Amino acid sequence: DQQVKQNSPSLSVQEGRISILNCDYTNSMFDYFLWYKKYPAEGPTFLISISSIKDKNEDGRFTVFLNKSAKHLSLHIVPSQPGDSAVYFCAASETGANNLFFGTGTRLTVIP
Amino acid sequence: AAGVIQSPRHLIKEKRETATLKCYPIPRHDTVYWYQQGPGQDPQFLISFYEKMQSDKGSIPDRFSAQQFSDYHSELNMSSLELGDSALYFCASSLGQGDLDTQYFGPGTRLTVL
Repeated sequence: DQQVKQNSPSLSVQEGRISILNCDYTNSMFDYFLWYKKYPAEGPTFLISISSIKDKNEDGRFTVFLNKSAKHLSLHIVPSQPGDSAVYFCAASETGANNLFFGTGTRLTVIP
Repeated sequence: AAGVIQSPRHLIKEKRETATLKCYPIPRHDTVYWYQQGPGQDPQFLISFYEKMQSDKGSIPDRFSAQQFSDYHSELNMSSLELGDSALYFCASSLGQGDLDTQYFGPGTRLTVL
């Protein structure tokens, strides 16, 4: 039972434009969400997170939006750069748990 | 800065054999997590340890066992390997429990079962 879903396996964006990666979850107990970026042959690297008490968190070019009623979050990258090309994983957890539930990932390709 | 080290990086085994994967956390990190990522799938949490004690258990098969040693490194022991065990196994470490964004991942061990 997939509790975190990333329905777009891939996304291509022109350099300088906005990249929007989406993530949906089913478990209403999830209250902490993270985005990880993964390059080939490397482990996932933490990118940005958001707690359920917020609906937006911004860090430089990266912004995560959370819509609790829709159980949906998205990662915006503006402006997109070729170095952003990687697989992006959405992950979720609930208070008190230390494990993460991951989505299947979205491969972002930023075209120069 | 030192990162999480996993060894070996690649491992090929036959069905019914055993395998041991090792994880060396970032210095001073006391918590270790193991994840399994099958082909085309999301990473699945297996098990975690805090201060050498098991802290959380996920979808780890009974054929697998793990432990954390006094130097905080961890080993994942896999017995009676099956074809379906072929996957990328990630280890992550953190300092204490609670701040999930400080979970640092290793590069993974790719296990292939033939």
